[in-house]
Amino acid sequence: QVQLVESGGGVVQPGGSLRLSCEASGFTFSTYGMYWVRQAPGKGLKWVAFIRNDGYYKFYADSVQGRFTISRDNSKNTLYLQMNSLRVEDTAVYYCGKSGGFDYWGQGTLVTISS
Amino acid sequence: QAVVTQEPSLTVSPGGTVTLTCGSSTGAVTSGHYAYWFQQKPGQAPRTLIYHASNKHSWTPARFSGSLLGGKAALTLSGAQPDDEADYYCLLSYSGGDWVFGGGTKLTVL
Repeated sequence: QVQLVESGGGVVQPGGSLRLSCEASGFTFSTYGMYWVRQAPGKGLKWVAFIRNDGYYKFYADSVQGRFTISRDNSKNTLYLQMNSLRVEDTAVYYCGKSGGFDYWGQGTLVTISS
Repeated sequence: QAVVTQEPSLTVSPGGTVTLTCGSSTGAVTSGHYAYWFQQKPGQAPRTLIYHASNKHSWTPARFSGSLLGGKAALTLSGAQPDDEADYYCLLSYSGGDWVFGGGTKLTVL
């Protein structure tokens, strides 16, 4: 069955960096675009970034443009989100998701930005 | 960036019918917005119910349906059950690869 497992969350000081990973299984990873979506504590969902299946097309929300980088390694069935210059307002649970109907989501990984 | 609007909260009686809507600040929601609907229960990841306005996944209960109605995307729940109490989010696609979630609707079954 399809599984998406995020990892890499934790507590980081403002201005710091963190790399999230999303390991995929149960489907042909290289044929699907992938997303990152986040949810601040007690708040709604916010779309963060998208990467096409071949990795050549990427798109970011304005709030993370220039600070976050989405990438993928199709040989490892893994999606990444490199997050730099982190701010308190980046504190959230980060979910990865599979395109094609947005049919599958991971369980999320918590990122806390705090001094 | 566009703003996507949803009702902050709605209440439906068990067995009743309720329609949640999803509007766009840029104008009418069309098939080109590829509307999605998600259900999220406390402490859980979202679950996709509807994609491309009206298509269901294999796990989507038959009592949920999606449509485009009066310039908005709509999610109709017919025959509400206590288990349907949750937050519901819509997601719209915009030109340039931008995607915007609505603020969510807290649905109470009471």
